[in-house]
Amino acid sequence: GQNIDQPTEMTATEGAIVQINCTYQTSGFNGLFWYQQHAGEAPTFLSYNVLDGLEEKGRFSSFLSRSKGYSYLLLKELQMKDSASYLCAVKGYGQNFVFGPGTRLSALP
Amino acid sequence: KAGVTQTPRYLIKTRGQQVTLSCSPISGHRSVSWYQQTPGQGLQFLFEYFSETQRNKGNFPGRFSGRQFSNSRSEMNVSTLELGDSALYLCASSQTFNTGELFFGEGSRLTVL
Repeated sequence: GQNIDQPTEMTATEGAIVQINCTYQTSGFNGLFWYQQHAGEAPTFLSYNVLDGLEEKGRFSSFLSRSKGYSYLLLKELQMKDSASYLCAVKGYGQNFVFGPGTRLSALP
Repeated sequence: KAGVTQTPRYLIKTRGQQVTLSCSPISGHRSVSWYQQTPGQGLQFLFEYFSETQRNKGNFPGRFSGRQFSNSRSEMNVSTLELGDSALYLCASSQTFNTGELFFGEGSRLTVL
């Protein structure tokens, strides 16, 4: 089976750097995905890691360590519009996506 | 390119009734998956379809069923509705099975009274 853990809530000030951690246990691994979901809206894709290391995409970066079952999403220069839930999801080969509980991030002025 | 379209967006049903939700994937996407989202449980996987075949199924009772048509459009059905079925039902499409990012629709918000 698969189990994913993330902090429930985080708060940070505008302009800060925020790191959202995700730990997972999985019987098969074919990628780790991060999605952003604003309140009342559909989740949207942010980033994807299948190999160890850092993937950078503008203000967003994601890191993966497969041996540790660990990933983080890094948000630089936090903006008010970044207030949202961030979902970590693991995909096993031939298996469905399994989503973590999500981290609700609040950006403060 | 049009996104994933789900209908209806909102619906209210009473216990014991049944409901059918529809999902039209992005053009060219052949894989459709369904999720239930509630405040307490987060996003829970229901099932995934590819080429009209169910490829994976989540841990939901048999009251939850789905299907996919030859044009990749998908429907899910919930029979004998219970209060606990009140949730946002999200459909997501991807280009193919077992790979790629998911593109989500806006969801169908079901309220069971």
